[in-house]
Amino acid sequence: AQSVAQPEDQVNVAEGNPLTVKCTYSVSGNPYLFWYVQYPNRGLQFLLKYITGDNLVKGSYGFEAEFNKSQTSFHLKKPSALVSDSALYFCAVRDRVTDSWGKLQFGAGTQVVVTP
Amino acid sequence: DGGITQSPKYLFRKEGQNVTLSCEQNLNHDAMYWYRQDPGQGLRLIYYSQIVNDFQKGDIAEGYSVSREKKESFPLTVTSAQKNPTAFYLCASSIGLAHTGELFFGEGSRLTVL
Repeated sequence: AQSVAQPEDQVNVAEGNPLTVKCTYSVSGNPYLFWYVQYPNRGLQFLLKYITGDNLVKGSYGFEAEFNKSQTSFHLKKPSALVSDSALYFCAVRDRVTDSWGKLQFGAGTQVVVTP
Repeated sequence: DGGITQSPKYLFRKEGQNVTLSCEQNLNHDAMYWYRQDPGQGLRLIYYSQIVNDFQKGDIAEGYSVSREKKESFPLTVTSAQKNPTAFYLCASSIGLAHTGELFFGEGSRLTVL
């Protein structure tokens, strides 16, 4: 069975400082990994994904994430946070072997608060 | 512009009533999904459909029903058998089977049981 853990319910950061949102996963095979962002009372928006290849993935709005197979992690990062980055962030994983139709397992979400 | 449209955005229901949430997509995607979101629990899969006239139960299907008569449409009915229906419901779509792409989400429907 696949699972995702986001160990922090909330991350607080000052505008201009680096932002990191943590994600660890568990799958039986090799993973497909995704990050999504959700603004209040809105749907989820795709940020970036890791499928294969380079472990450092760049996505929308200046975000990037690093796939670390040995630590089974896929942390989301942004070098300089903006107040507008305040939102709920979800990590999701799919086992490419057992879930051929695309079922994603989502983490519980991490609320990011960026203060001016 | 292509996308997913969910309606209504807000819905109130009395106990014992069935309600149907609409989901329409014009992305020409084969696969569609319904998720339920509760605070602190992430997203949980209710039902999914890979093609027209076929759908499968997700992790929390009890008390819900769906249909897929058209490629573009995947309505969700929350029945009176659902014990705790107050939640935010999200519809999503993807290209299809064995894909590596992302899910596209609608804006959600918030259901409140009075």
